[in-house]
Amino acid sequence: NAGVTQTPKFRILKIGQSMTLQCTQDMNHNYMYWYRQDPGMGLKLIYYSVGAGITDKGEVPNGYNVSRSTTEDFPLRLELAAPSQTSVYFCASSYVAASNQPQHFGDGTRLSIL
Amino acid sequence: AQSVAQPEDQVNVAEGNPLTVKCTYSVSGNPYLFWYVQYPNRGLQFLLKYITGDNLVKGSYGFEAEFNKSQTSFHLKKPSALVSDSALYFCAVRDASSSNTGKLIFGQGTTLQVKP
Repeated sequence: NAGVTQTPKFRILKIGQSMTLQCTQDMNHNYMYWYRQDPGMGLKLIYYSVGAGITDKGEVPNGYNVSRSTTEDFPLRLELAAPSQTSVYFCASSYVAASNQPQHFGDGTRLSIL
Repeated sequence: AQSVAQPEDQVNVAEGNPLTVKCTYSVSGNPYLFWYVQYPNRGLQFLLKYITGDNLVKGSYGFEAEFNKSQTSFHLKKPSALVSDSALYFCAVRDASSSNTGKLIFGQGTTLQVKP
């Protein structure tokens, strides 16, 4: 059981470039989340999805887009990379029916925008 | 608005001594509370949760946490610290009213340093 898998692990982008951060889970979880982690700031929710075809904005969605065409995959898109998007990005998933279930996290993508 | 506060950026403790990492929360309804640990270059790992019932919750790796409703706190504790416990710890809260989304609010994290 791989859990939550994120690719790539590291990436350096130039300002204005675009890229997609990949996230896939093999636990058949309906709920999936994207967070960014900045030093001393904790984790901030970017987007989340409660099932295939359903996505919604979190706390800091500007500059990002998501899609959820399958239960397993939840990619995060950066269209025009900006230095403020330099961060560590985490994808997480959780089981649908019980809100008291913990979220399971991937190991993150470390992104630098130069 | 929901919020979580971890008042200490860093906690230092000697190996073998008890440790406490503090967390206070603010939610409008009943809280669901979680502790996660993050090791370098890794994702967050679930340690324990409080949903209802006994105020003392036991979790992974010998950690426990005490829920105090009157003080709106959920402090993480361990009777005897290990050097391998050194990591970044996050407290998180979920408002029971957000149960249809499962969204969590995280504290800013506390670095635990256990010295030999």
